[in-house]
Amino acid sequence: SAVISQKPSRDICQRGTSLTIQCQVDSQVTMMFWYRQQPGQSLTLIATANQGSEATYESGFVIDKFPISRPNLTFSTLTVSNMSPEDSSIYLCSVPGQGGLAKNIQYFGAGTRLSVL
Amino acid sequence: GEDVEQSLFLSVREGDSSVINCTYTDSSSTYLYWYKQEPGAGLQLLTYIFSNMDMKQDQRLTVLLNKKDKHLSLRIADTQTGDSAIYFCAEGDNFNKFYFGSGTKLNVKP
Repeated sequence: SAVISQKPSRDICQRGTSLTIQCQVDSQVTMMFWYRQQPGQSLTLIATANQGSEATYESGFVIDKFPISRPNLTFSTLTVSNMSPEDSSIYLCSVPGQGGLAKNIQYFGAGTRLSVL
Repeated sequence: GEDVEQSLFLSVREGDSSVINCTYTDSSSTYLYWYKQEPGAGLQLLTYIFSNMDMKQDQRLTVLLNKKDKHLSLRIADTQTGDSAIYFCAEGDNFNKFYFGSGTKLNVKP
């Protein structure tokens, strides 16, 4: 399994500001994924972070609002820009396992709990 | 996108069995998964099943897959208070994108 560290674990932010969330993995991975979990809801995929190319965004999510960086194979950041209370959610990063059947499994970080006032 | 549905709540007594159900729409999914989310925590993989299997057992957990009806279930035997959590069913596509159900909140009463 992969060990994934996310920072910060939680934050309270003011409307109109931006927050950058970091995701660090203990092994090199080709793809990293960012999900959003709104209060009481399921997880929704925001984008796939590819090393060496731009992130691929899912329908309903745009780069201006959620810029993503992927400088190397073990690290990615997600920025939530110009925040509003509707952005209050848990943001999680995930990576697939390595080798054999493990590559079909997604491992998740503990998440970043964001509250926007 | 794919549609994964679950009932929202389940309440059982400690020691009873819990059965959490899930339906999905993408018949091409190779693997189907069960994740557990405890309060304030991330998602923990509980188990998964390959689409050509009907059943998988792992200690107290039994996964049943009815591919014809696109129905997946998770049975927890001898449910304990520590099993209280939200359980998510998920299917993955060929690009490692996962689609999650709404989650079933399991409440275990002592």
